[in-house]
Amino acid sequence: AIVLNQSPSSIIASQGEKVTITCRASSSISSNYLHWYQQKPGAFPKLVIYSTSYRASGVPSRFSGSGSGTSYSFTISRVEAEDVATYYCQQGSSNPDTFGAGTKLELK
Amino acid sequence: EVQLVESGGGLVQPGRSLKLSCLASGFTFSNYGMNWIRQAPGKGLEWVASISSSSSYIYYADTVKGRFTISRDNAKNTLYLQMTSLRSEDTALYYCARRGDNYHYFDYWGQGVMVTVSS
Repeated sequence: AIVLNQSPSSIIASQGEKVTITCRASSSISSNYLHWYQQKPGAFPKLVIYSTSYRASGVPSRFSGSGSGTSYSFTISRVEAEDVATYYCQQGSSNPDTFGAGTKLELK
Repeated sequence: EVQLVESGGGLVQPGRSLKLSCLASGFTFSNYGMNWIRQAPGKGLEWVASISSSSSYIYYADTVKGRFTISRDNAKNTLYLQMTSLRSEDTALYYCARRGDNYHYFDYWGQGVMVTVSS
């Protein structure tokens, strides 16, 4: 199984700050199969970025993604209070689908 | 509006069985692959099982293979997960999720149903 190593495990940021989460895969993945989810406290996960860099419907432009091969990143250009959540990367390139361990974003 | 509504969870003793259901609406259920994904309390997400639109392709996580069975009834717009020989480590919130397209992302999720395995 492909292991996804997410870092950092937690971030404390100020409103308006830029934050970046990294997801490193144990094997190369086609960028079409790397996705990001946001899970707010007490809620189900929501697709934010699919296929590395495409924003899901209704997702604000402050969210972006990039990467290739084994290294991917997820960025929030200017953090807002509503972005407090845990973010997960996920790969669907090879079975089984796997998720990163998550990055918890909190506000300072 | 796409909706996925899970049901069937609860408290069950180790070694017993439980069957989860996920009723889908707002889209043509028979056109989409579906999945079960779980989240143990305070933990991350773990993919459990997937089934293709026509049930031709079925996959399981190693942790549940041989104990869980995923199935679907396209006439009833319903996805199922039959869980047998339950263990304490199966305790989790179980989500039903739709596979978006060939790139294997999960574009819609249900609210989840809690399964607690304890004596």
